[in-house]
Amino acid sequence: LAKTTQPISMDSYEGQEVNITCSHNNIATNDYITWYQQFPSQGPRFIIQGYKTKVTNEVASLFIPADRKSSTLSLPRVSLSDTAVYYCLVGDGFDTGRRALTFGSGTRLQVQP
Amino acid sequence: ETGVTQSPTHLIKTRGQQVTLRCSSQSGHNTVSWYQQALGQGPQFIFQYYREEENGRGNFPPRFSGLQFPNYSSELNVNALELDDSALYLCAFRPGTSGAQDTQYFGPGTRLTVL
Repeated sequence: LAKTTQPISMDSYEGQEVNITCSHNNIATNDYITWYQQFPSQGPRFIIQGYKTKVTNEVASLFIPADRKSSTLSLPRVSLSDTAVYYCLVGDGFDTGRRALTFGSGTRLQVQP
Repeated sequence: ETGVTQSPTHLIKTRGQQVTLRCSSQSGHNTVSWYQQALGQGPQFIFQYYREEENGRGNFPPRFSGLQFPNYSSELNVNALELDDSALYLCAFRPGTSGAQDTQYFGPGTRLTVL
């Protein structure tokens, strides 16, 4: 299983851009990189997913270098409601069979007014 | 929001008892996974079911077992409860299409407390 490493916590202020980096040195060729957001006592919520280079959607951007051994989630202009735990995951397996997602401890983002 | 529901919301049991947690989805997605999340930690993969068969398992003992039904809903059963089983139990559904995408849709979880 591909293991991920993220900072334990980060602090930011409203309106700032936040970049959270995740390292995944043993990522497999077929693995995608996915980021989830989790609020207290709720299930994780999908944010963004990518394989290489850059992916952007309405809430975030994901930057993946050529060697794919790390990735960076970028949240533009955060607000108080972005205070949550953010998890970086890499999948294990390619087909619809065995798939074991590995969550690390995540990054606890605290946004201040 | 995700269309995934779990029941019950909260549950209190004592050591040695057995518990059954339930999960269903409105989406028709046929792959369901269960995760255990201890306080302050990330979710840990328990197992996955695809078309009513277990096809992936994490590092959990056999007293953690599950079922998936023809309508794709699922149960997690835990026997001989231990204090360390106290956690938030999450289920997640995923479209059963082939490919490497791992987008999963999580339910709100069941908070289990073992006394």
